[in-house]
Amino acid sequence: AQSVSQHNHHVILSEAASLELGCNYSYGGTVNLFWYVQYPGQHLQLLLKYFSGDPLVKGIKGFEAEFIKSKFSFNLRKPSVQWSDTAEYFCAVKANQAGTALIFGKGTTLSVSS
Amino acid sequence: EAGVVQSPRYKIIEKKQPVAFWCNPISGHNTLYWYRQNLGQGPELLIRYENEEAVDDSQLPKDRFSAERLKGVDSTLKIQPAELGDSAVYLCASSLSSTGATGELFFGEGSRLTVL
Repeated sequence: AQSVSQHNHHVILSEAASLELGCNYSYGGTVNLFWYVQYPGQHLQLLLKYFSGDPLVKGIKGFEAEFIKSKFSFNLRKPSVQWSDTAEYFCAVKANQAGTALIFGKGTTLSVSS
Repeated sequence: EAGVVQSPRYKIIEKKQPVAFWCNPISGHNTLYWYRQNLGQGPELLIRYENEEAVDDSQLPKDRFSAERLKGVDSTLKIQPAELGDSAVYLCASSLSSTGATGELFFGEGSRLTVL
């Protein structure tokens, strides 16, 4: 069974600082990878996703993530964070086969001070 | 396009009481999921439906939890009787198909349950 590990539980940054949130997964086969974001008081929404092709994927609001297959990683990055990026970020993985569910990491809370 | 709709948003009950949550998925989405999110944790799958069939309920505590998806559209998740440890946010999500290429799930705002 697949699992997801997010290394940072809580990250605190100042505006304009660079962000990198770590995500590792365990599964030997082909996977689809996602980052979801949950802003305060709002529902989970998709930030970006990777299925195949270019391992560097770009999402909304200037976020990007790089899939490194050899490291089983899918780290999220943003060169310059804004106060409005304060939210909880979840990495998720789905095995690329029928009948499998989306598995989430425990999440990372990002707090950005202005 | 309307998103996934859940109700109630908040529910406070005493232990041993029953509770039910309702979900209306995005129109045309065949797959419906119920997740539970405990404080400080990521969502954990409880049950997944393909149309009206529950195809994965291995994580659903069947002694007290039940779910149904009549006519393959709306779904209800019930807990009876509720225990203190059931306090969590119950999330409903839908997707076009769990076997499809995208795999993207669309989430509702969740139902926050507090059991006293």
